[in-house]
Amino acid sequence: GQQVMQIPQYQHVQEGEDFTTYCNSSTTLSNIQWYKQRPGGHPVFLIQLVKSGEVKKQKRLTFQFGEAKKNSSLHITATQTTDVGTYFCAGPRSGGSNYKLTFGKGTLLTVNP
Amino acid sequence: DSGVTQTPKHLITATGQRVTLRCSPRSGDLSVYWYQQSLDQGLQFLIQYYNGEERAKGNILERFSAQQFPDLHSELNLSSLELGDSALYFCASSAGLAGIQETQYFGPGTRLLVL
Repeated sequence: GQQVMQIPQYQHVQEGEDFTTYCNSSTTLSNIQWYKQRPGGHPVFLIQLVKSGEVKKQKRLTFQFGEAKKNSSLHITATQTTDVGTYFCAGPRSGGSNYKLTFGKGTLLTVNP
Repeated sequence: DSGVTQTPKHLITATGQRVTLRCSPRSGDLSVYWYQQSLDQGLQFLIQYYNGEERAKGNILERFSAQQFPDLHSELNLSSLELGDSALYFCASSAGLAGIQETQYFGPGTRLLVL
């Protein structure tokens, strides 16, 4: 079945350092979504990427979708303590059900003030 | 606050028992999704309902069942509970527009502990 892998599993940074998490799918994705889950909270939608090679920015966050639509990345510039949480990527299989999201296991980011 | 509500917040029960988790979607959303989140398996899609009908099925055990009612709230029934069923259960909702990938709005979750 479809697998979505994320690396790294954990990342600890000093406040002000940059952070990147990578997402790789075993199958082509029609689109990819990113979610953030704060400790003790629930996943919150961040963004969706649809086009091959697409890049989107949200303030200090930059999201990329690979040319082959099988990988994606999230980069945070100058991390802040408010960035703490687990970042998940998720996507449906291209040509498959759009409703059946497969989530990666997430990258837990901790930030030392 | 996503607008999705889930009850109860916490549930402690014993092996072999049966529990029901409840979810109310955001106002106007027709689709409801159920997920199980455990430390080792991450966030696993269980099942999706759209306007009362089952639309997609994921890794849902036969001991688990769900339904969506005419008022669009949904219930997830877990029976013959095992220790390994201890997890966070999330409900999410979306508008339910066909053919596109929609944003899913997650509820606060129900934490189930099976002793």
